[in-house]
Amino acid sequence: EVQLVESGGGLVQPGRSLRLSCTASGFTFGDYAMSWVRQAPGKGLEWVGFIRSKAYGGTTEFAASVKGRFTISRDDSRNIAYLQMNSLKTEDTAIYYCSSSTVTSYYFDYWGQGTLVTVSS
Amino acid sequence: DIVMTQSPDSLAVSLGERATINCKSSQSVLYSSNNKNYLAWYQQKPGQPPKLLIYWTSTRESGVPDRFSGSGSGTDFTLTINSLQAEDVAVYYCQQYYSTPITFGQGTRLEIK
Repeated sequence: EVQLVESGGGLVQPGRSLRLSCTASGFTFGDYAMSWVRQAPGKGLEWVGFIRSKAYGGTTEFAASVKGRFTISRDDSRNIAYLQMNSLKTEDTAIYYCSSSTVTSYYFDYWGQGTLVTVSS
Repeated sequence: DIVMTQSPDSLAVSLGERATINCKSSQSVLYSSNNKNYLAWYQQKPGQPPKLLIYWTSTRESGVPDRFSGSGSGTDFTLTINSLQAEDVAVYYCQQYYSTPITFGQGTRLEIK
């Protein structure tokens, strides 16, 4: 059974940093791209970014709203994807979901339950 | 960026009737080299993560009931739910994965009339 479990969310002050983790099981993690998608309270879905598999260079892409502030990395030996969030803003407050997709087609077939990040002073 | 616009924002349908949700992209998501439309649909129930229903416009994900179907091409797409069930109450999103940034529609809230 495929499982994605996010962790690391919480309350953080504006301008500070936070790192989220996504621990995967039940599939060959290294073969898949991993994405982060967020949802502000009561709002719709917003793609944050993804990291390709190592076979496709392990490169990353990001939404304009987070580019330069957020980075994504992966540890295929531990089946974990990370979202490093720096210079956080109040508008980054959201539930952050990790999701998996094939490396050539970025629809999201599996999702974690999400972790809430609240940016507030 | 490709803007995805869904209509309506919300709709109420009677049990057993058909629900139709539309999604329009600001530019074509049809990739000519493989003739595939890079369009997916998701269902999100309260307090839950989204669930993939349909990808490649019309391919149902494993385990999704066949009352859910997708159609369209280019810039205009439709999610149809036949014989609406109570458990179909949710918010539905379309998503394009033709190019980055990956974008979603604003969502359509489906309720029972």
